[in-house]
Amino acid sequence: KQEVTQIPAALSVPEGENLVLNCSFTDSAIYNLQWFRQDPGKGLTSLLLIQSSQREQTSGRLNASLDKSSGRSTLYIAASQPGDSATYLCAVGYGNKLVFGAGTILRVKS
Amino acid sequence: NAGVMQNPRHLVRRRGQEARLRCSPMKGHSHVYWYRQLPEEGLKFMVYLQKENIIDESGMPKERFSAEFPKEGPSILRIQQVVRGDSAAYFCASSPLDRAAGNTIYFGEGSWLTVV
Repeated sequence: KQEVTQIPAALSVPEGENLVLNCSFTDSAIYNLQWFRQDPGKGLTSLLLIQSSQREQTSGRLNASLDKSSGRSTLYIAASQPGDSATYLCAVGYGNKLVFGAGTILRVKS
Repeated sequence: NAGVMQNPRHLVRRRGQEARLRCSPMKGHSHVYWYRQLPEEGLKFMVYLQKENIIDESGMPKERFSAEFPKEGPSILRIQQVVRGDSAAYFCASSPLDRAAGNTIYFGEGSWLTVV
């Protein structure tokens, strides 16, 4: 069964801290992995897409890594800001289907 | 370039009524996906469609739910005889090409269905 787990479920940090969100998946036969951000009552915004052949992707203060063999991905956020407060979703791509984790709720305090 | 457009954003239906959710993909996108987010749960895949074809409906409930993506017009997710358990946020996403080939998909803002 394809399952995706995200740890921690919630995280509260002061502004300026670097932080790591974790994602693990049970089926390593992935096509790709995508990190999203979801604000309350809103849709999903794509942050980073990592192909199965890649090890990491970077965009601005965000860096995502992928270790297929161990079934893990991390999202690193540098110098966190209050505007980063949102739910972060890890989604593993199996063909044309995404399997989502339950998300990490991030709160960055000013 | 407008994003994925969903309407209505909020819909209230009484038990037994029908709900129709519409999704217009981004311009140039011919692949549409529907996901459902139940309260306190993660998003779950429902169906993947291309123009006039259902490619993968493995996540669709066996009864009352149907989806289409006609040659002209938006994709429609139809829920017949709604029950309280259908209350959820329904998200549509689109991609320009086959997502399995590594293309990013783009999500709409969602349609929130409440069944009373």
